[in-house]
Amino acid sequence: ILNVEQSPQSLHVQEGDSTNFTCSFPSSNFYALHWYRWETAKSPEALFVMTLNGDEKKKGRISATLNTKEGYSYLYIKGSQPEDSATYLCAQRGSQGNLIFGKGTKLSVKP
Amino acid sequence: DARVTQTPRHKVTEMGQEVTMRCQPILGHNTVFWYRQTMMQGLELLAYFRNRAPLDDSGMPKDRFSAEMPDATLATLKIQPSEPRDSAVYFCASGLALDSQDQSYEQYFGPGTRLTVT
Repeated sequence: ILNVEQSPQSLHVQEGDSTNFTCSFPSSNFYALHWYRWETAKSPEALFVMTLNGDEKKKGRISATLNTKEGYSYLYIKGSQPEDSATYLCAQRGSQGNLIFGKGTKLSVKP
Repeated sequence: DARVTQTPRHKVTEMGQEVTMRCQPILGHNTVFWYRQTMMQGLELLAYFRNRAPLDDSGMPKDRFSAEMPDATLATLKIQPSEPRDSAVYFCASGLALDSQDQSYEQYFGPGTRLTVT
């Protein structure tokens, strides 16, 4: 059984601050890691899919890294804006293609 | 702008009633997933299909839940009889797997069905 953990559970930052959060997962039988951004009352929005150790992906001010050997991924947000406020979910791909989600990190960015 | 659609968006029903939720995956996608969001468990997988065939429904209470894909454009999740503990948001997601080994495809989520069972 895969167990995906995210920390911190919640985070409050000021506009302009850079921030990062962690996703840890079992490193054995790794297939892929997904990051999603989930705003309240909306559906999760795909940010990144990473499959290779050392992968780094970037989309605007958001970037992510992957270490499959030690079982962690970091998500970075540079210069946080109020519109970045959301829950950020990571999910590990299981052997059958299903996603096992962490509980998320809830980010609040104050103007 | 291709999207996953789900109906109904909200459903309030009484305990014991049958509930059917519908999902239209993005046209051309060959994998469909049903997830449930609860406060305690977060997002948990209930069932998923590839090319309309069920691959895994071990996350689903089979005595009352059933999931089907009558055709490639429709997936259904049925609860009969419904119970108050089934109250949650049910999400459908779809993706396009290039083959059975493809692990890097995105899953695109629908807006969810918020179910309340009283």
